[in-house]
Formats: sequence, structure tokens, C-alpha cells
Amino acid sequence: QQQVKQSPQSLIVQKGGISIINCAYENTAFDYFPWYQQFPGKGPALLIAIRPDVSEKKEGRFTISFNKSAKQFSLHIMDSQPGDSATYFCAAGYHKLSFGAGTTVTVRA
Amino acid sequence: GAVVSQHPSRVICKSGTSVKIECRSLDFQATTMFWYRQFPKQSLMLMATSNEGSKATYEQGVEKDKFLINHASLTLSTLTVTSAHPEDSSFYICSARGDAGQGGGYTFGSGTRLTVV
Repeated sequence: QQQVKQSPQSLIVQKGGISIINCAYENTAFDYFPWYQQFPGKGPALLIAIRPDVSEKKEGRFTISFNKSAKQFSLHIMDSQPGDSATYFCAAGYHKLSFGAGTTVTVRA
Repeated sequence: GAVVSQHPSRVICKSGTSVKIECRSLDFQATTMFWYRQFPKQSLMLMATSNEGSKATYEQGVEKDKFLINHASLTLSTLTVTSAHPEDSSFYICSARGDAGQGGGYTFGSGTRLTVV
């Protein structure tokens, strides 16, 4: 049973553009919502995370928007750069994390 | 920031042998450690959760006798793949979580690529 649904599966964006990835969750007990970036052959690296008492969090070019009533959260990557080309995973949980299926982002120069 | 070291990064073993993977939290005490498995172009699949000094909790469908987990201290957890077979070839990733006073976030290791020949 997939507890976190992520979309799109992949996206292509031009350099300088905005990448948007969406996730939805089912379990209302989840209290931690991180986003991870993963490069091939490497472990996931935390990008940004949010708790449910906050609706938006921004760190540099990365912003999480969180909608508790809709049980949805999204990642916005502003001013996308070729170095942002990677796979992005959303996750949600409390004692342990459930991961989305991942989104492969390709930034065209 | 929190750092988790995973070793080895790559290992090739013969079918029928056992392989041990280590996961260490370098600058914080990990109250809980997690082990994941990831197949190519797929998401991370949680295998088991371990707390220091207690038995690991395995996810449904994960063979606990094949994937032995030991969490001997607050900074070290090991995963041993016993009697490995080619179908066990995968990317194994550990994660460690500190307590609430340490932010309570999850930090991941760099992964271990296991190839069973």
C-alpha cells in the first residue's frame, strides 16, 4: 500500500525555469515531510523538510508548500540549474518514513 | 550537520557467502536506524527498523533470517546479508535518526552497491 503518491514521474525544465513536484499522503498521523535529492549511485540527501504546523518553508531556491487539509505538499525548485538534474523523492512519516516513487528532473542548458 | 557513514560503498561476493554492511552515525547518537533497499530507477523500500539494544522490526515480506540487523550501540548498526544469491544484488542504504533534541531528522548514508555473482 503506497502511503505517499508522487507526481510527475519525470519532468524536463529549461535552465532558469521552475520545477514543481507534487506529493499526497494518506496518514494524518504523519508529522514530518522531507524532500530528498538523489544522484545515481549515491544515497538520498535532505533538501528541505517541513512540519505540519507550517504552510510554507523556503531555503534558497527550494520551497515546500504544505496543505494539511488536502494532505498534499509540493516542492518548487526556482531558477533550475543543470546541476539540479537528479531524482527527487518526497517522504512522510512519524516513527519511520514512507517514500514517494520519485521524480527524475532534467534541466536543459 | 549530521553525518552517516556507510561502508563498504561497493562489494562483490560469491553466491552462498555472507556480506556485512556497516552504518555509523559520526557526530550524533542515533536512537533509531533504518535499512532500505533500492532497485534501479525505483524508490527506497524500507526493510527494517532497529533501536539500540533491541531486536530489529522487519517490514512485511522481508526475511529476517536472511537480512540480519544488529544495532549494538547508539552509533553503529550492521546489516548482514546471509547466504547471498544473485537476486539479493541491490543498492542498500541506511538511515539514522537522532532524538528530538538533535532535530529528529533522518540522515542517510551513501549506500552500498551489492553484487552477488
